[in-house]
Amino acid sequence: DVKVTQSSRYLVKRTGEKVFLECVQDMDHENMFWYRQDPGLGLRLIYFSYDVKMKEKGDIPEGYSVSREKKERFSLILESASTNQTSMYLCASSPRGLNEKLLFGSGTQLSVL
Amino acid sequence: AQSVAQPEDQVKVAEGNPLTVKCTYSVSGNPYLFWYVQYPNRGLQFLLKYITGDNLVKGSYGFEAEFNKSQTSFHLKKPSALVSDSALYFCAVRDMGAGGFKTIFGAGTRLFVKA
Repeated sequence: DVKVTQSSRYLVKRTGEKVFLECVQDMDHENMFWYRQDPGLGLRLIYFSYDVKMKEKGDIPEGYSVSREKKERFSLILESASTNQTSMYLCASSPRGLNEKLLFGSGTQLSVL
Repeated sequence: AQSVAQPEDQVKVAEGNPLTVKCTYSVSGNPYLFWYVQYPNRGLQFLLKYITGDNLVKGSYGFEAEFNKSQTSFHLKKPSALVSDSALYFCAVRDMGAGGFKTIFGAGTRLFVKA
């Protein structure tokens, strides 16, 4: 069964900590994405990657960075976690084409205290 | 840049009645439009997409969507709602980034179906 796997379902961190969120896909997809989901705001794109070592900023990249050293793995890094980064984080992947759908992971609920 | 708007935060319908969840879009060029659904405590799932061709698109779980170019709308519909359709629905559009295609989502509409 093809899937996108996020390493943690729930995560609690302290303000100022460096946080790593990991995402792995097993479908050989070129594109991978990180979104955050907040009530009333929908899904907002943080970063996406269209190839290994290639990345592009989304709508809200401030305070985040990403890494894609291998095709199947896309990591989201919170350099210094803050309380306003408490959110649900969703990873997704898709093939390269314009008409392709996204396949999502189950999400990571991050709480920054 | 492409964008979509969902004008309703929530929609309430009675079971057995038809439902409509609204979406309008703003694009340059041809639109590539999608609907996704998020059931409680589950991840987002793809429902259907419009790329080209027939304006009425059929998808999963009996849902369909009507593409209307003159009104720049892509409303999600179902002839007879089920309680199990209660979920959060997102309209989305594919957009071109510098190096690849990305998907932009609306704010979401929560659908409540009452028995």
